[in-house]
Amino acid sequence: SQQGEEDPQALSIQEGENATMNCSYKTSINNLQWYRQNSGRGLVHLILIRSNEREKHSGRLRVTLDTSKKSSSLLITASRAADTASYFCATDPTLSNDMRFGAGTRLTVKP
Amino acid sequence: NAGVMQNPRHLVRRRGQEARLRCSPMKGHSHVYWYRQLPEEGLKFMVYLQKENIIDESGMPKERFSAEFPKEGPSILRIQQVVRGDSAAYFCASSAAPGSGFTEAFFGQGTRLTVV
Repeated sequence: SQQGEEDPQALSIQEGENATMNCSYKTSINNLQWYRQNSGRGLVHLILIRSNEREKHSGRLRVTLDTSKKSSSLLITASRAADTASYFCATDPTLSNDMRFGAGTRLTVKP
Repeated sequence: NAGVMQNPRHLVRRRGQEARLRCSPMKGHSHVYWYRQLPEEGLKFMVYLQKENIIDESGMPKERFSAEFPKEGPSILRIQQVVRGDSAAYFCASSAAPGSGFTEAFFGQGTRLTVV
């Protein structure tokens, strides 16, 4: 079964607005990662947050991790049309050696 | 320092033929993952391999699909007797030892398989 579950499944906003996507998972993890995928392209690694971290920033991206709730959020501030993509979270579980992805959130940023 | 290389980028096969998808991990990486992505859907885990070992193939169909990661050479995902439902993008990712807990997975550009 899928480890990471993103919500919402789809999100449509205007340029300049903030976009928030959430990810929930089931087991304990070493870290959680967010990826972006533009339509028809490969995945691009955005940010990794370790299990002992609560928040991490990278440019316009802000990721939070709440291990007690087994959830993470990705915030994109001041969105741009170029941010239009699918965003996936992936977890690196502690008790197994694989990474699992959710179904992703499809973000559309309208100019 | 090349990233994860997948080939071919596009593959067209007729129903009943075999498809071979190749993945060369990043230099120094010994862990390979294969994922399938159907149109408009998320990534589905298929199989996780280390050199010469299949660690987890729980996401891979029991029939027609097989994967290997030999000591030398790329990882191969093999689909025998392809059917139209196998049409998808297949992504490979590689990482260093995940047990360290702080590793990232790097993805290839994918192979788009079309079964006609």
